[in-house]
Amino acid sequence: EVQLLESGGGLVQPGGSLRLSCAASGFTLNNYAMNWVRQAPGKGLEWVSSVDVTGVSADYADSVKGRFIIYRDSSKNTLYLQMNHLRVEDTAVYYCAQSMGAYYFDYWGQGTLVTVSS
Amino acid sequence: EIVLTQSPATLSLSPGERATLSCRASQSVSNYLGWYQQKPGQAPRLLIYDASDRATGIPARFSGSGSGTDFTLTISSLEPADFAVYYCQQRSNWPITFGQGTRLEIK
Repeated sequence: EVQLLESGGGLVQPGGSLRLSCAASGFTLNNYAMNWVRQAPGKGLEWVSSVDVTGVSADYADSVKGRFIIYRDSSKNTLYLQMNHLRVEDTAVYYCAQSMGAYYFDYWGQGTLVTVSS
Repeated sequence: EIVLTQSPATLSLSPGERATLSCRASQSVSNYLGWYQQKPGQAPRLLIYDASDRATGIPARFSGSGSGTDFTLTISSLEPADFAVYYCQQRSNWPITFGQGTRLEIK
């Protein structure tokens, strides 16, 4: 059974950093494209970042480009999102999601809440 | 960036009725469009991909249609569990974008 478990969310001040983790089980992370999608409180879904099956090519939303980095650790079967220079508008539940083929989001974690506030 | 516009914003229907949700793209996305269902406090769930293919385990009452810029999600006969928020998503062009959502509520 595919499972994704996010962690690492919390309260951080503007300008701070946070690293989110997404531990995968039931499948090998290296065999799939992986993604981060976020949802601000009471708002819709926003794609944040994707890394392709090779782990070499990554894409980012303009709103996070240059501040966030997506990467994975094959030995831990875990996906990460390093978030730097955080802004109030980054406050959201962050979901990791697996793409089985094309860039749809087939399986989702339960999400982790990031709150950026002074 | 491709903008997806969903309509209506809110749809009020009764169980057993047919629901028709619309998603319009600002430029052609071919058939590279998906639909998701999200219930309160839960992660979204993929329903439809490539405009009309049902994801694994999705009941046959959910169907998708359309291509180019106009797409429809149809729920043939609403069940109580279907009342939720629905999002469309395109993967035709980077960045990946979502519609703003349609809330399907019980009348």
